[in-house]
Amino acid sequence: SQELEQSPQSLIVQEGKNLTINCTSSKTLYGLYWYKQKYGEGLIFLMMLQKGGEEKSHEKITAKLDEKKQQSSLHITASQPSHAGIYLCGAAKNAGNNRKLIWGLGTSLAVNP
Amino acid sequence: DAGITQSPRYKITETGRQVTLMCHQTWSHSYMFWYRQDLGHGLRLIYYSAAADITDKGEVPDGYVVSRSKTENFPLTLESATRSQTSVYFCASTLASSYEQYFGPGTRLTVT
Repeated sequence: SQELEQSPQSLIVQEGKNLTINCTSSKTLYGLYWYKQKYGEGLIFLMMLQKGGEEKSHEKITAKLDEKKQQSSLHITASQPSHAGIYLCGAAKNAGNNRKLIWGLGTSLAVNP
Repeated sequence: DAGITQSPRYKITETGRQVTLMCHQTWSHSYMFWYRQDLGHGLRLIYYSAAADITDKGEVPDGYVVSRSKTENFPLTLESATRSQTSVYFCASTLASSYEQYFGPGTRLTVT
């Protein structure tokens, strides 16, 4: 089973609608990283969350990490076609020195104009 | 150009051939990673490197070889390509003080 579960697996929304993507772990995480991948391209870093209860925003995207540091949500307000792509969460399991991340399977987002 | 680059971007090879995928970064990041991305499996770590001449296995290392003689380069070699190695391969790097990984554009490899 995946150490990081992402939901939903895919999402189709109408332009202008809000949406939320979730990333859940059964264990407390050291840090949570959100990335976006456009089809056929590499991953682009969006945001990092490290403290329980932390919330960050960039343009119309807001990411939150719960107090237990086991669940994160990514919320897009008033979606646009430019938001389409695959959103992946990655997480550091501990403060070890190997810098590895574990990954969710991704959420595929389509935004219909 | 600054950043992290991969070459080739696309490669078709035959079963049994040796293939090397190149990764080059200009940030002098200590850590470098090789992933493969497949539908249904997401990103899986093949090998990673903490510094020049230090490499370690990831989740799916079988059939792959890496080396890191210089900080900026981290080539991935498929010694005898198999069809199951058809995938998109991503290289990434990060600072020793960070977990934020920066990704290359990927190499789409098809083994026939």
